[in-house]
Amino acid sequence: NAGVMQNPRHLVRRRGQEARLRCSPVKGHSHVYWYRQLPEEGLKFMVYLQKENIIDESGMPKERFSAEFPKEGPSILRIQQVVRGDSAAYFCASSPLGGDYEQYFGPGTRLTVT
Amino acid sequence: AQKVTQAQTEISVVEKEDVTLDCVYETRDTTYYLFWYKQPPSGELVFLIRRNSFDEQNEISGRYSWNFQKSTSSFNFTITASQVVDSAVYFCALSEGGAGNMLTFGGGTRLMVKP
Repeated sequence: NAGVMQNPRHLVRRRGQEARLRCSPVKGHSHVYWYRQLPEEGLKFMVYLQKENIIDESGMPKERFSAEFPKEGPSILRIQQVVRGDSAAYFCASSPLGGDYEQYFGPGTRLTVT
Repeated sequence: AQKVTQAQTEISVVEKEDVTLDCVYETRDTTYYLFWYKQPPSGELVFLIRRNSFDEQNEISGRYSWNFQKSTSSFNFTITASQVVDSAVYFCALSEGGAGNMLTFGGGTRLMVKP
């Protein structure tokens, strides 16, 4: 009965390091979404993936950010050369299909860049 | 382009009061979905409700009720007899049909219920 799992829950990185955030969707879900919540702000869409495909990355910053959802294993959001402005909560959501299924959210990963 | 506005950034009530959280949306699509999520102090997002654009019936779930009015592009959320455990940030969100279900969130309303 596992929901969406994200790890780590908290991640601290120094400026310039890489951050890797993992998301395991609900079993059987093939759609994954990443959202970012900056401090005191709402959530902003980043990227939408299906297995092995990026469907919509219109919300991803052009540089340093990448995402993947391989055939096997979790979805990964990767941030290279982190800066203080990357400090945020990153939420992953999954759904079984597109269309009218609600997205189930994970608990989030709180990234702090020092 | 889709947009969600939650004009109330913060609301404070005393326990047992009723409170309504406003949500106004903009979309050019005729098919879309509206959502409410709760984010308690622990930080996770809790799904509350989904409504599609073709179903304007209001909904009640316990102390929660939702009023969907297409004429005013609003999807307001009312908590009756509020409790301290209702204290959280509440987000309204919109998903346009055929858009890959990306959710556009409002800025959220922080509700504080005092004993």
